Amino acid sequence: DIQMTQSPSTLSASVGDRVTITCRASQSISGWLAWYQQKPGKAPKLLIYKASYLQSGVPSRFSGSGSGTEFTLTISSLQPDDFATYYCQQYNSYLYTFGQGTKLEIK
Amino acid sequence: QVQLQESGPGLVKPSETLSLTCTVSGGSVSPYYWSWIRQPPGKGLEWIGYIFYTGSTKYNPSLQSRVTISLDTSKSQFSLRLSSVTAADTAVYYCARGGSYSEIDYWGQGNLVTVSS
Repeated sequence: DIQMTQSPSTLSASVGDRVTITCRASQSISGWLAWYQQKPGKAPKLLIYKASYLQSGVPSRFSGSGSGTEFTLTISSLQPDDFATYYCQQYNSYLYTFGQGTKLEIK
Repeated sequence: QVQLQESGPGLVKPSETLSLTCTVSGGSVSPYYWSWIRQPPGKGLEWIGYIFYTGSTKYNPSLQSRVTISLDTSKSQFSLRLSSVTAADTAVYYCARGGSYSEIDYWGQGNLVTVSS
């Protein structure tokens, strides 16, 4: 299995801050990485696919980068609606695996 | 707009079989992959398996001996069966579109299944 490790596990930030979440794969996954946002009691929502492509309807303050084994999700200016848990997921292998999640909290 | 809706019992007894169905609306089941993913309370996401519109399947090796995913294209539905359940199978079960090297772009709202006697 390809292991996905996110950091940090928890992130405290304020509205207007720029934040970055990192995701590392245990082996190269090329650019086959997605980022999801999940709010309590809701299904995950696709934000970024193929490492850097913005899903339709997702605000442009979200961006993704990286390839191989290291990837980042950046939110350029935090909005109140962005406080949630974020997951990365690799799909380089048929056996999809997710990171453990990063909870973004209000400071 | 594609929508997915899970249905099935919220409570299953230990050693019995968990069965869930996902109904797809607003789009066709072809030519897509359809997945089941679960999330234990307060924990992360685990991919269970997928089915292609042709009927071919792939399962997570950790669950393969207990999982069956099937598809009824005439009803735009796909289903999950998980046998011999234990408390460790208690989770919110999501159906979703995507699999086999494609991102998961549509999700159902989730169905909490509790395994308890």
